[in-house]
Amino acid sequence: DTEVTQTPKHLVMGMTNKKSLKCEQHMGHRAMYWYKQKAKKPPELMFVYSYEKLSINESVPSRFSPECPNSSLLNLHLHALQPEDSALYLCASSELDSEQYFGPGTRLTVT
Amino acid sequence: TQLLEQSPQFLSIQEGENLTVYCNSSSVFSSLQWYRQEPGEGPVLLVTVVTGGEVKKLKRLTFQFGDARKDSSLHITAAQPGDTGLYLCAGLTSGTYKYIFGTGTRLKVLA
Repeated sequence: DTEVTQTPKHLVMGMTNKKSLKCEQHMGHRAMYWYKQKAKKPPELMFVYSYEKLSINESVPSRFSPECPNSSLLNLHLHALQPEDSALYLCASSELDSEQYFGPGTRLTVT
Repeated sequence: TQLLEQSPQFLSIQEGENLTVYCNSSSVFSSLQWYRQEPGEGPVLLVTVVTGGEVKKLKRLTFQFGDARKDSSLHITAAQPGDTGLYLCAGLTSGTYKYIFGTGTRLKVLA
């Protein structure tokens, strides 16, 4: 099973709202990732968790707050977003030195 | 800064034609992945190549990793409309969790 699940599939939120994106994997992978992808562009890395600890933060604004409650779950908490934050948010997981598997993504629209 | 350049950026071809997509870098990678992504969905892993000079085949798709592990190619034989999508290469440096994504090739196969 190489499945990564993400919820919700679609999310519309106002600039004053607080919402969370959720990601889950049951492959026993030790690394989990958040990416942001704009239309017709490659994914841009936001955060990497390895062994449930934040190991990479690609200078992401503090209005995005990641959380890794356990080795299977990854959340992305959103607060006071801007319209330019509208994008497809992708979660992925991998083992060290191995390929990544992506979830289906959450289409976020900030109004 | 590690970069992966893909060429061409866009390709529109007729069903039954052959095509090759290139993924080039000045950096050495321990492995390289190819993904296909459809609009609004997450990237789907097609193949991982690890050894310099390695060739892998997946039905009508042939993947090659350069001898120096700096470049890769994807060749599609007798393209079909179902091959339409965004093709992404992603390189991994050994001992890290950070994948470098290529600039992407958008393929459209016309029936």
